[in-house]
Amino acid sequence: GQSLEQPSEVTAVEGAIVQINCTYQTSGFYGLSWYQQHDGGAPTFLSYNALDGLEETGRFSSFLSRSDSYGYLLLQELQMKDSASYFCAVGNDYKLSFGAGTTVTVRA
Amino acid sequence: NAGVMQNPRHLVRRRGQEARLRCSPMKGHSHVYWYRQLPEEGLKFMVYLQKENIIDESGMPKERFSAEFPKEGPSILRIQQVVRGDSAAYFCASSPTQSGQNTGELFFGEGSRLTVL
Repeated sequence: GQSLEQPSEVTAVEGAIVQINCTYQTSGFYGLSWYQQHDGGAPTFLSYNALDGLEETGRFSSFLSRSDSYGYLLLQELQMKDSASYFCAVGNDYKLSFGAGTTVTVRA
Repeated sequence: NAGVMQNPRHLVRRRGQEARLRCSPMKGHSHVYWYRQLPEEGLKFMVYLQKENIIDESGMPKERFSAEFPKEGPSILRIQQVVRGDSAAYFCASSPTQSGQNTGELFFGEGSRLTVL
């Protein structure tokens, strides 16, 4: 089976930087994905790391260390619209297994 | 290119009734996944289908739940004799390839929210 651990919630002010950590246990690991979900709507894909290192996409970056079974999502220059739930997900074989999610609240 | 379409968006059923949730994947996508989400929780995998085939239904309860993805038409998640514990949001996602092995990217619909009275 798979298990993923991520913090349940994070609060920060506009303009700040937030790091959401994710540790996982799984077999047949292919990569780590991150998704954003606003108010229970459709989860949307943010990033995917198959190899160790940092991937940067605008204000969001994602990191993976396969040897440590660990990754993180970095949100920079936080904006109010970044208030949402963020899920890490491990890909093994053909499907994704999701963590419980981190609720990010951005305050003015 | 239309996204993943799910209907109904909201469904209310009384205990013992049947619920049918439909999902039309994105054009060109032959891989469909169903996930279930309870309030304040993550997405729990239920079933993975390719056209006309169930590849993995390990996350779906053995009784009362079934899924199909026919050659023509949408994928259907069917819940028979619903109970209150079935109340949840059911999300469908599609992919042009196997999501775990390739890009790690799934395209999700807006979900169907089932309420069982």
